[in-house]
Amino acid sequence: SAVISQKPSRDICQRGTSLTIQCQVDSQVTMMFWYRQQPGQSLTLIATANQGSEATYESGFVIDKFPISRPNLTFSTLTVSNMSPEDSSIYLCSVGGTLTDTQYFGPGTRLTVL
Amino acid sequence: QQQVKQSPQSLIVQKGGISIINCAYENTAFDYFPWYQQFPGKGPALLIAIRPDVSEKKEGRFTISFNKSAKQFSLHIMDSQPGDSATYFCAARGTNTGNQFYFGTGTSLTVIP
Repeated sequence: SAVISQKPSRDICQRGTSLTIQCQVDSQVTMMFWYRQQPGQSLTLIATANQGSEATYESGFVIDKFPISRPNLTFSTLTVSNMSPEDSSIYLCSVGGTLTDTQYFGPGTRLTVL
Repeated sequence: QQQVKQSPQSLIVQKGGISIINCAYENTAFDYFPWYQQFPGKGPALLIAIRPDVSEKKEGRFTISFNKSAKQFSLHIMDSQPGDSATYFCAARGTNTGNQFYFGTGTSLTVIP
C-alpha cells in the first residue's frame, strides 16, 4: 500500500479566494485522483491526474475551477479557485486504481469557506 | 445516476452483534468490489475486497458475500465492537470504467457497548 500525505489538513477561507491542496505519495505512481466528499455524502471523483499530461475532469468539474498540477510521479496539487461556501467539503487525494490494485486515500483536507 | 446503491444509511448494533450493510449495482462489467472504512477526520481505508469469481471472502470478523446473479454484495461484521463504529462505503470498478471507482453513499455504523 502507499502512504499518502496531504497539506493542509484543514483550512478556513474567505469567499472569492483560492486554496491549493498538496498531495505527496511515498512511491512513484502513474495515476493520482482527486475526490470531493461533502458532509455526510459519498465520494465524488473530481479528476484524474496523470504525470505529463492534462488532468481528466469528470462531469460537473472544470479546469478553471479546479486546476490540477502533476509535476512528477509522487506529487500533485489541486487548487480550489474563487471559492464559495458551496465548496466547503473534504478533498481527498488517492492513488492506485489499476486492474490489479485498489485505491488508497490520503487523510483529506477539510475546507470551510465563509 | 447512482452506479452503486448502498443501504442502510445508518445502523445501530449492540456490541457482539452482527452488522450487515448491503450494496447493489447495475453495471455487469464491474469486476472488483472493495469496502472502505472511514473514521471521522480520516480518509477512507481499504477494509476488504472481492472479485465476482467467488461468492464469499472472509478476513477476520469481516466477510463479503457476493451474489453475481442478483448484482448484490454485502459486508458482514461479526462480533461487532465499539471500535468498528465508522462510516462504511462499498465501491465498484469495472473493465469499461477505466480506473474509476464508483462509491456507495455510505453507512454510518454505531456499535453500542
